[in-house]
Amino acid sequence: NAGVMQNPRHLVRRRGQEARLRCSPMKGHSHVYWYRQLPEEGLKFMVYLQKENIIDESGMPKERFSAEFPKEGPSILRIQQVVRGDSAAYFCASGGGSYEQYFGPGTRLTVT
Amino acid sequence: QKEVEQDPGPLSVPEGAIVSLNCTYSNSAFQYFMWYRQYSRKGPELLMYTYSSGNKEDGRFTAQVDKSSKYISLFIRDSQPSDSATYLCAMSWIQGAQKLVFGQGTRLTINP
Repeated sequence: NAGVMQNPRHLVRRRGQEARLRCSPMKGHSHVYWYRQLPEEGLKFMVYLQKENIIDESGMPKERFSAEFPKEGPSILRIQQVVRGDSAAYFCASGGGSYEQYFGPGTRLTVT
Repeated sequence: QKEVEQDPGPLSVPEGAIVSLNCTYSNSAFQYFMWYRQYSRKGPELLMYTYSSGNKEDGRFTAQVDKSSKYISLFIRDSQPSDSATYLCAMSWIQGAQKLVFGQGTRLTINP
């Protein structure tokens, strides 16, 4: 039973480039959450999606960040024109609609 | 003031000791309380959850919630070196989008 999958595991981008992070939820899960973890900090909620719908994006920066969870395929977190402050670990979690969330291994984004 | 406060540590104890990890929170609407364990450069793993007040035990782990004091605890008995990790508390509301609010995490080291 495969867990939450994220790719790439490590991503290096230069300032101004775009970063695309992918997340495939656990089998049977239709709820996806994205969190960001800065060095020495806890996880901060970014966005909660269900298939083809953004349910809560209250944690998303207003500019440059977007997320989608299409009917087919993984959820995508997209960061346009990356800056050094975007360097962090980005975690995806999936759930079946209850409080339980299961996390993937994360994507570590480094902006040079 | 952060919604969830957690002492980041680091906390270092000898093998076999009882470990106590704690979080305080300010939002009385929180109803679900969780503890996650995160090994270095890995995703968080759900350890324990408690709904509302009370205690819950699972093997060497005990979670306690005191809603009157807005205080939650995780106890680890007979601690092992493999318990060395960062422990994150997380909370959620009974209604709403089920995003989790995390504490900063406590880095724990169990010394053989």
